[in-house]
Amino acid sequence: EVQLVESGGGLVQPGGSLRLSCAASGFTFSSYWLSWVRQAPGKGLEWVANIKEDGSEKYYVDSVKGRFTISRDNAKNSLFLQMNSLRAEDTALYYCARERWGNHFYGMDVWGPGTTVTVSS
Amino acid sequence: DIQMTQSPSTLSAFVGDRVTITCRASQSFSSWLAWYQQKPGKAPKLLIYKASSLESGVPSRFSGSGSGTEFTLTISSLQPDDFATYYCQQYNSYSRTFGQGTKVEIK
Repeated sequence: EVQLVESGGGLVQPGGSLRLSCAASGFTFSSYWLSWVRQAPGKGLEWVANIKEDGSEKYYVDSVKGRFTISRDNAKNSLFLQMNSLRAEDTALYYCARERWGNHFYGMDVWGPGTTVTVSS
Repeated sequence: DIQMTQSPSTLSAFVGDRVTITCRASQSFSSWLAWYQQKPGKAPKLLIYKASSLESGVPSRFSGSGSGTEFTLTISSLQPDDFATYYCQQYNSYSRTFGQGTKVEIK
């Protein structure tokens, strides 16, 4: 079964750090772009960052540039999001998602159940 | 960055109604647009990719169209399972921006 499972969420104080992980199974992990998408409580979806199959390209939404770092370990079928200098507005459910590509981006076809990050004092 | 604006934000409809959701881009881009359905407490589900291609397993009552700056998602006959929030998403080389969402409610 194709699956993504996030972990690492929790309660952290403003200015703190957290590292999210996403474990993949059931597909050839190293063949896919991957994204992190977040959803603040009661709000819509916000794309956060993504990373190319071999990790050579990474892109971020402006609001997290310089604070968040996306990475992957293809040997361990794992995706990561290192979050530093956390702010209250980073509070959200964080999803990892697989990007499907044909000759271009087709969409995010596999999602994990998400992990909750709460930034509060 | 390209901004995506969906309308309406909320839509009330009866079972059996034809429903159309619009997604407008702040500037023209290629037709690399996707639509998702999200139910409460669940992860989003890919419905449509490349503006009009139906994802495998998605009922044929869902369809997508459009190009340039205006795209639509149509549900030809709304079913009880379709009450959810729908999001469009645009792709360019550096971002994957979502629209703000359209909640489809039971009338």
